[in-house]
Amino acid sequence: DVKVTQSSRYLVKRTGEKVFLECVQDMDHENMFWYRQDPGLGLRLIYFSYDVKMKEKGDIPEGYSVSREKKERFSLILESASTNQTSMYLCASSTPLGGGYTFGSGTRLTVV
Amino acid sequence: GENVEQHPSTLSVQEGDSAVIKCTYSDSASNYFPWYKQELGKRPQLIIDIRSNVGEKKDQRIAVTLNKTAKHFSLHITETQPEDSAVYFCAASKRAGNMLTFGGGTRLMVKP
Repeated sequence: DVKVTQSSRYLVKRTGEKVFLECVQDMDHENMFWYRQDPGLGLRLIYFSYDVKMKEKGDIPEGYSVSREKKERFSLILESASTNQTSMYLCASSTPLGGGYTFGSGTRLTVV
Repeated sequence: GENVEQHPSTLSVQEGDSAVIKCTYSDSASNYFPWYKQELGKRPQLIIDIRSNVGEKKDQRIAVTLNKTAKHFSLHITETQPEDSAVYFCAASKRAGNMLTFGGGTRLMVKP
């Protein structure tokens, strides 16, 4: 069973802080994704990566950056957290061989 | 880019009835259409998917239909049960495993 692990289930950060959200998958998947989930808006893609050291902007990259130094790890960085970044953040991985995503359990981030 | 719209946003049915959720997409190059179920407090899980070379796919009480000409696809759940209550998301991608664009979600409530 593919496991996608997100380091924190809940986080509370202050406005202006730099925030790191970590995601690790254990099935050697090439593709990794970061989404944020907000009520009524579904899941919106922030960044994705199809390979180590590769990253592509999704639909809402502003205020975020990512890092993929190793195949199994994809980090989301909030450079200077703001209250409008309060959300549920979901990491996912997949293989180009086909099939859907496997999601992590999510990090609920509150910025105060 | 791709835009996926999902209707209805909420759906309430009686146990044993059928439920239908509809999605439309904008990019004619999309070829892969998965559906995810997200129970309260849990991660989204893939329940069924369909590729553009297939018009319909069925898995027990769940079926998905695809009309590429009209650019819409639907999820059908027959003989609904209380455990079907969840939020369902449709999504579209040019290729299985690649970045997905999600619909806004449908909250399905099955009343016993």
